[in-house]
Amino acid sequence: DGGITQSPKYLFRKEGQNVTLSCEQNLNHDAMYWYRQDPGQGLRLIYYSQIVNDFQKGDIAEGYSVSREKKESFPLTVTSAQKNPTAFYLCASSTGGQGGYEQYFGPGTRLTVT
Amino acid sequence: KNEVEQSPQNLTAQEGEFITINCSYSVGISALHWLQQHPGGGIVSLFMLSSGKKKHGRLIATINIQEKHSSLHITASHPRDSAVYICAGRAQKLVFGQGTRLTINP
Repeated sequence: DGGITQSPKYLFRKEGQNVTLSCEQNLNHDAMYWYRQDPGQGLRLIYYSQIVNDFQKGDIAEGYSVSREKKESFPLTVTSAQKNPTAFYLCASSTGGQGGYEQYFGPGTRLTVT
Repeated sequence: KNEVEQSPQNLTAQEGEFITINCSYSVGISALHWLQQHPGGGIVSLFMLSSGKKKHGRLIATINIQEKHSSLHITASHPRDSAVYICAGRAQKLVFGQGTRLTINP
């Protein structure tokens, strides 16, 4: 069964701690993305990667970091520098990069930082 | 700047009603994606279209390139259609609308 998995579904952290969100896909997609969703706002792009060992900042990359060491995996680290980390985080993948290809989304991780 | 605007933001209807959600977009966007976000948060791609009309079951999506406008229609709506519907414009990256929260009451 091909798809994208994100874990955990809910994550709670204390302010000042870094936290890493997992995203794995077995669709053999080259491109992967991280989005943030806040109430009343559209999805905003944090980082994307079009190929292994390469990634680009999106619109709101400050306070986040990523790695793409394997095609299947694109973990996102929310650092203590991110001022408002509480949000719903969605990972997606596509066969090619950016807007020209259909993106498949994971189930999301809801992060709460107190 | 590429922009996507959806309307309405919230829509409540009775089961069986015909539903229309609208999406307007700016210059530079070549195609539209329609997405459905379930209450649990997962997102499913419904349609990707750059011209004309597409139909899948009770869902119909249309796009008018000249007017830069797309609509998502749901016929014979059902409570299980309750979700947030998102349009996303294809530019160099996807540009997302704010979403329309649809509630269908039995």
